[in-house]
Amino acid sequence: DQQVKQNSPSLSVQEGRISILNCDYTNSMFDYFLWYKKYPAEGPTFLISISSIKDKNEDGRFTVFLNKSAKHLSLHIVPSQPGDSAVYFCAADNTNAGKSTFGDGTTLTVKP
Amino acid sequence: GAGVSQSPRYKVAKRGQDVALRCDPISGHVSLFWYQQALGQGPEFLTYFQNEAQLDKSGLPSDRFFAERPEGSVSTLKIQRTQQEDSAVYLCASSLDTGSGEKLFFGSGTQLSVL
Repeated sequence: DQQVKQNSPSLSVQEGRISILNCDYTNSMFDYFLWYKKYPAEGPTFLISISSIKDKNEDGRFTVFLNKSAKHLSLHIVPSQPGDSAVYFCAADNTNAGKSTFGDGTTLTVKP
Repeated sequence: GAGVSQSPRYKVAKRGQDVALRCDPISGHVSLFWYQQALGQGPEFLTYFQNEAQLDKSGLPSDRFFAERPEGSVSTLKIQRTQQEDSAVYLCASSLDTGSGEKLFFGSGTQLSVL
């Protein structure tokens, strides 16, 4: 039973346009959500996060939206740049669990 | 170094061989995690330490997997009698503190191939 799902394995966008990456979760105990970015042959690096008490968090070109009732979050990248091409992982935390649960990732390709 | 360091970077093992994977977390980080990442999938939780205490080992696939962090810093993940299904990237991550919402700092991983 996969508790965090990223249903789009890949996404391709044109440079300068918006990239929207989606994530769904099933466990209502999750109270914090994080996005990580991964380049080939490297470990994931933290990008942005959001607490369940908020519905939006913005950091420069990156914005994460949380819809608790739908158990859905999305990462918006505006404008997209070729250097954003990477695998993006959604992760969810449960305060009592102490560990993050990851989705399978979405490969973003930004074309010049 | 400033980041999480893992060694070896690559490991090829014959089936049945024992392997040991090392993780050097960021200095001062309390929490340390091991994840297993199969090709095309996300990291899957294996085990978690808070300082030297192993608080959760629910993700370890079998009793062939063993992890330790004896002095609350460096950690070793040991796999005994390796099987082909153990082939994966093993990621180590550390975080400054405990609790929900602490971002993880990952190493580059050890890619294990069992022949």
